[in-house]
Amino acid sequence: GAVVSQHPSRVICKSGTSVKIECRSLDFQATTMFWYRQFPKQSLMLMATSNEGSKATYEQGVEKDKFLINHASLTLSTLTVTSAHPEDSSFYICSARDRVPVNYGYTFGSGTRLTVV
Amino acid sequence: GDSVTQMEGPVTLSEEAFLTINCTYTATGYPSLFWYVQYPGEGLQLLLKATKADDKGSNKGFEATYRKETTSFHLEKGSVQVSDSAVYFCALSKSGNTPLVFGKGTRLSVIA
Repeated sequence: GAVVSQHPSRVICKSGTSVKIECRSLDFQATTMFWYRQFPKQSLMLMATSNEGSKATYEQGVEKDKFLINHASLTLSTLTVTSAHPEDSSFYICSARDRVPVNYGYTFGSGTRLTVV
Repeated sequence: GDSVTQMEGPVTLSEEAFLTINCTYTATGYPSLFWYVQYPGEGLQLLLKATKADDKGSNKGFEATYRKETTSFHLEKGSVQVSDSAVYFCALSKSGNTPLVFGKGTRLSVIA
C-alpha cells in the first residue's frame, strides 16, 4: 500500500535554531500534502495545505514565516520550523493525498516529536 | 462548517468486552467517513472507511456503518484485545483535495 516516510521521528533542538521535517511519498505521487500539529492527548490541528509546485495555504493563526512549507516535487514535502521556541514543541504529522485516490488517498507519516529546549 | 463529534474518553474495557465508540458528523453534501487509529508515538493508520450511505466499513474485527439518517458512523468491535489499546479518531472528507476533518479522538485502554 501507499507509504509516507517521515523523518526525523524525534528531534531535540535548542531554542532559536531551525528544524526541518521531511515527508516522502513512496510508490505514489502526492499532489497535496497536509501538515498537522498534535498536542498531547488532543486531536490533530491542521496547519497548512500544500500543493506540488505552489505556495502553501496556511490555516488561520499559523505563522507562515515561522512554519515554512516546501512542496517542490510530487514525492517530497518539507516543514521547517524556524527560530524554534519551547512552545513549538509538539508532534507534527504529514498526510499525503494521492494523485490517484486509491484507498481514498490519505496516507499519514509516522510523525515527528519535536522538543525545543 | 463541517465537524465531527465523538464520545469523550478515556474508555477502559476488559479483554473480550464489546466496544462502541460513538461518532456523529455535521456536513453539507455527502462526505466520506473514516476511522483512524493512533498507537502511542506513531502517526495515524486508516482503520476503515465508508464512502456512501449504508456502506459498512470493516477491518480487523472493527465495523462501522454510514448512517445518513442519524449522521452517525459508530465504531464497534465484538471482542477487544489488549493490542487494541490506542486512540481512535473519527473523520470526514469531502471530495477533491480537502483535508480530513477529525473528531477529538477517543482513548481506549484494554486491560487483561
